[in-house]
Amino acid sequence: EAGVTQFPSHSVIEKGQTVTLRCDPISGHDNLYWYRRVMGKEIKFLLHFVKESKQDESGMPNNRFLAERTGGTYSTLKVQPAELEDSGVYFCASSRRDRDTQYFGPGTRLTVL
Amino acid sequence: QKEVEQDPGPLSVPEGAIVSLNCTYSNSAFQYFMWYRQYSRKGPELLMYTYSSGNREDGRFTAQVDKSSKYISLFIRDSQPSDSATYLCAMSGRGYNKLIFGAGTRLAVHP
Repeated sequence: EAGVTQFPSHSVIEKGQTVTLRCDPISGHDNLYWYRRVMGKEIKFLLHFVKESKQDESGMPNNRFLAERTGGTYSTLKVQPAELEDSGVYFCASSRRDRDTQYFGPGTRLTVL
Repeated sequence: QKEVEQDPGPLSVPEGAIVSLNCTYSNSAFQYFMWYRQYSRKGPELLMYTYSSGNREDGRFTAQVDKSSKYISLFIRDSQPSDSATYLCAMSGRGYNKLIFGAGTRLAVHP
């Protein structure tokens, strides 16, 4: 069974630019989560999809962040416009059902210059 | 105050040592307690999962939860160099799925 995959593995952009991160969950996993770790801080929850619906987006920092999961398969997280404080590692995780083990992808390292 | 406190280390031990990793938390609503292991440039990988209070053992790993003290522990027996990684505690509560993580403790086991 393939694990959670994320693309790109690393992105370097300038302040004010737009970046789109992609996550492909494990096949058959209805639940998809985005987390991020900014420098020196703990991993923090951003949002949770159940299929294509946003179940909980309480962790989204502001309206510069837009997450989508059209068709309930892969998800994208767009940051527009990017700010310096958005630098960090963005993780995606998926689980088959509610409360199941969350399997994490390798993360996308975002650097905003 | 952070919801979950975890000493970031680093912690350096010789091969074969017993390692004790700990987290404290403030939210009494937490009921699910997890330990993740993260190798460099990889995503977190679930190591142990405990519901409510009690102990769970899996091979060389033992997880303990003391809800009365809001304190969780992970013990690693006969530590190996391959155990060198960052260990993250994570918690969640009834009715929601999001995980609340500690800062992670970096562990180095030297031969």
